[in-house]
Parts: sequence; C-alpha cells; structure tokens
Amino acid sequence: EIVMTQSPATLSVSPGERATLSCRASQSVSSNLAWYQQKPGQAPRLLIYGASTRATGIPARFSGSGSGTEFTLTISSLQSEDFAVYYCQQYNNWPPTWTFGQGTKVEIK
Amino acid sequence: EVQLVESGGGLVQPGGSLRLSCAASGFTFSSYDMHWVRQATGKGLEWVSAIGTAGDTYYPGSVKGRFTISRENAKNSLYLQMNSLRAGDTAVYYCARGGNVVAFDIWGQGTMVTVSS
Repeated sequence: EIVMTQSPATLSVSPGERATLSCRASQSVSSNLAWYQQKPGQAPRLLIYGASTRATGIPARFSGSGSGTEFTLTISSLQSEDFAVYYCQQYNNWPPTWTFGQGTKVEIK
Repeated sequence: EVQLVESGGGLVQPGGSLRLSCAASGFTFSSYDMHWVRQATGKGLEWVSAIGTAGDTYYPGSVKGRFTISRENAKNSLYLQMNSLRAGDTAVYYCARGGNVVAFDIWGQGTMVTVSS
C-alpha cells in the first residue's frame, strides 16, 4: 500500500505571501498525483492533476511540481479565499487504488 | 451544469446496511469512471470504491467484501451498498467523477452516514 505523507500539518502564512506544501509518497507514483482544496463544510475541489496541470478554472497562482516520490504545491501569493485544507492524492494503476495524504491546513498568520 | 447529488445517508445500527445513491446531471454519465470517497468528522479523505465505464469495480481493503459499488447508466445514477456497517464507517460520503484516471474532478455535496446504537 502506498502511503502519502504531507508536511507541514499546519502552515501559518500572511496574505500575499508564498505558501509551499509538500507531499511524499512511500514509493514512486510517477506523475499520478493530484491536489485538492477543501474549505469547512464544503466538498473538496480539484486544483492540480498529473502533478502539475491546473484543473479548469484554477487560478495561475496555484502550481504543482514533482514526480516519483516528492511533490510540491505552491501558492504564489495567498489570497483570503485560499485559507483552507489541502490534500494530495495518488493513483496506483494495479490494482487500481487512490490514496490521500492527511492534509495540510493553511491558516492566516 | 455538471452536478452530482448524493442521498440515502442516515443513522444505522452496527451490523446494519444502507444504500447510498448519487444522481448525475450535466454530463455523459456513462463515459466516466465514478467513485465514492468518505470523510469522518474532522479527519482526512479516504477513497472507498470505484467503478469503471465497463462496470469493473475496485475497493480498498477497509471495505472490500462489505461495500458494493454499482451504476445504472440509463438513470445516470451511482450507488453504494454498504453492509456489516461499523462505527468506523461513520463519515460524510461523497460521490465523485473520475475526470481522468488519476483525479476526481467533480464532487457532490456529500451525505452523512452515522453508525451507532
């Protein structure tokens, strides 16, 4: 079973600053990695898939990078609406399984 | 508008059964893989099941043998039959579309399942 580990658990950032979130896989997942944003009381929203491709309608301040076991989500200049919990998620192709990290909460500093 | 709407959640006793439904609209339902993902209160996300366009199904070990995912393309509907429910199955259950093989691009609003005596 592939385990996804996100760090840090909580990130305190001031509006306008850059936020860097990390996600590590216990074994290589190639580029089969996605990032989601979830706000309280809402369903998750897809931000990034294929490790670096922004989903439809996602602002350019969100970017993803990495491959293999190390991945990063960067928010270049935090807006008030970006304070939320972020999850990474991997896909393993056989047997097909999808696994989430435990999440990183981005809070206002 | 592309939309997923779950229903069927509620309170059930340990060992009981429940069937969740997800109504899809605004896209060609039969062309997409579909998934169930759950989230216990205050906890992270856990993938629960998947069904491909050909009806192939997949489960993690935590629910395999107890949960069954199915779809009815003529009704644009996804289902999750949950048997032998445990307290640990208590969560919000989301229906999600497999936008590509890797990620879930459309999510419903979720339906709450509580397993308690």
